[in-house]
Amino acid sequence: TQLLEQSPQFLSIQEGENLTVYCNSSSVFSSLQWYRQEPGEGPVLLVTVVTGGEVKKLKRLTFQFGDARKDSSLHITAAQPGDTGLYLCVYGGSQGNLIFGKGTKLSVKP
Amino acid sequence: DSGVTQTPKHLITATGQRVTLRCSPRSGDLSVYWYQQSLDQGLQFLIQYYNGEERAKGNILERFSAQQFPDLHSELNLSSLELGDSALYFCASSGGLAGGRWVSGELFFGEGSRLTVL
Repeated sequence: TQLLEQSPQFLSIQEGENLTVYCNSSSVFSSLQWYRQEPGEGPVLLVTVVTGGEVKKLKRLTFQFGDARKDSSLHITAAQPGDTGLYLCVYGGSQGNLIFGKGTKLSVKP
Repeated sequence: DSGVTQTPKHLITATGQRVTLRCSPRSGDLSVYWYQQSLDQGLQFLIQYYNGEERAKGNILERFSAQQFPDLHSELNLSSLELGDSALYFCASSGGLAGGRWVSGELFFGEGSRLTVL
């Protein structure tokens, strides 16, 4: 069974700070996705990474897929209160469904 | 707005009861997924349907069942409810997948149905 470990579980920072959250596994993935879930809503796709070493940028968010395709990170620059939410790392399960990590709950205080 | 509609948004019921949660996928999406989200377990995959047929099964209890109808909407039936079944239940849909198998596509989630069992 492939398992995704996300860290930290919780993160509370002040507006303007930088942060990095991690998604790790002992298994190799063909691709990984990151979703963000805001309070009271369903998760929304942020990015899909498919190539080892790949770096994708989405405004202040930078996503990296590890060279060995076993891990990924999400870096947020100058965090804003609107970045508050649950960040979920996701991979495709053996049955062709999506398996979610438990997520990092981020709180950005003004 | 993801285009996925779930009803009801909130549901309070008693132990031992049975409820049905409904999901209308995005127009044209053939795959419907059901997930359960609780505080300690995160998002747990329950079951997936593709074009009316069960495609994948996760940690779904025997007390729970689902189906996808010809018009592609789906229902999740939860019976003999226990306190521990209290959770957010999400439906997600996707389309254009090879035989219903996820291939780096995007899932579109509804806003969820919050079930409280007292």
